[in-house]
Amino acid sequence: GQNIDQPTEMTATEGAIVQINCTYQTSGFNGLFWYQQHAGEAPTFLSYNVLDGLEEKGRFSSFLSRSKGYSYLLLKELQMKDSASYLCAVRGRGNDYKLSFGAGTTVTVRA
Amino acid sequence: GAVVSQHPSRVICKSGTSVKIECRSLDFQATTMFWYRQFPKQSLMLMATSNEGSKATYEQGVEKDKFLINHASLTLSTLTVTSAHPEDSSFYICSARLREMTLRETQYFGPGTRLLVL
Repeated sequence: GQNIDQPTEMTATEGAIVQINCTYQTSGFNGLFWYQQHAGEAPTFLSYNVLDGLEEKGRFSSFLSRSKGYSYLLLKELQMKDSASYLCAVRGRGNDYKLSFGAGTTVTVRA
Repeated sequence: GAVVSQHPSRVICKSGTSVKIECRSLDFQATTMFWYRQFPKQSLMLMATSNEGSKATYEQGVEKDKFLINHASLTLSTLTVTSAHPEDSSFYICSARLREMTLRETQYFGPGTRLLVL
């Protein structure tokens, strides 16, 4: 089975930086994904890590350490529209492409 | 990017009735579609994996006779909630995987269907 943990809520100020941590314990590992989900909407893809290290994409960066079972999503230069839930998801071993999701971290950006 | 649609976006029904939710990939062929359920303030829980032309694979604890999945074509999968009860009220989201898709963007999600059973 998969066990994926991330904080429930985080609050930050507009223009600041926030780091959302995700730890996982899985029976296999074939990639970690971060999704953004606004209330009442479907998740949208943000990033994908399968090798250790940092992947940077604009204001968003994602880091992975497979040996520690740890990832983080870094949001820089926060904007009000970044207020959303951020989901960490792990793809296990196998060819079925199934994803196991964490409970999500609700980020609130304040002016 | 690829677009996945769901219909209806919102449905209210009486307890005991059945509700069908459609998931369509609009501009690509989807070899696999996934159905998720999400309760308020909780994460997405995978219900089943649907491959075109074959029976769906259900996750542990999901009743296949209650949640009927049909993947009739490469662009359409349907989820029917049979004899719905108030506890089935939830946000149902489908996702689709392209026929030839890299691992990087594994799934495209539909906009979701909010079901309320009275």
